[in-house]
Amino acid sequence: SQQGEEDPQALSIQEGENATMNCSYKTSINNLQWYRQNSGRGLVHLILIRSNEREKHSGRLRVTLDTSKKSSSLLITASRAADTASYFCATDAIQGAQKLVFGQGTRLTINP
Amino acid sequence: DAGVIQSPRHEVTEMGQEVTLRCKPISGHNSLFWYRQTMMRGLELLIYFNNNVPIDDSGMPEDRFSAKMPNASFSTLKIQPSEPRDSAVYFCASSFGDRAGEKLFFGSGTQLSVL
Repeated sequence: SQQGEEDPQALSIQEGENATMNCSYKTSINNLQWYRQNSGRGLVHLILIRSNEREKHSGRLRVTLDTSKKSSSLLITASRAADTASYFCATDAIQGAQKLVFGQGTRLTINP
Repeated sequence: DAGVIQSPRHEVTEMGQEVTLRCKPISGHNSLFWYRQTMMRGLELLIYFNNNVPIDDSGMPEDRFSAKMPNASFSTLKIQPSEPRDSAVYFCASSFGDRAGEKLFFGSGTQLSVL
């Protein structure tokens, strides 16, 4: 079963607004990562946050991690049309098979 | 840095034919991953190599699928015989490190259609 599950499945907002996507997971992790995928392209790494970190920033991106709730959020501030893409969280579980397990993704649409 | 290079970009074949997908990882990366993406099942890890050695092939669907990594700069994923349910986008990714949970660099993928 999927380790990470994103919420919502789809999100549509106006350009300039902030977009928040959430990820929940089931088991203890070493790290959690967020990736972006534009239509017809490969995934691009955005941010990696380790289990001992609570918040991380990269440009207009802000990621939080709450290990007690087994959840993470990705905030994109001042959204642009170019941010239209699917966003995936991926988890690296401490136990079990060593591999990144991806969620089903959130489809984000930024309307001009 | 050319990134992860996959070929072909698109492949259309008939059921029963052999399909070979190719991947060149980023120079210096020692881990290579093959993922498959479908609408129904999302992104699934098929197999993971570290230092050219297969570490985890538990995601390979069945014996029709095989993967090789003869050297640090090349890997193949072969499907023989192919079936319509194999239609998907196949991604190759590479990373640096000995764990499978580090930052991945993805190729552009191969869109496979089996008729």
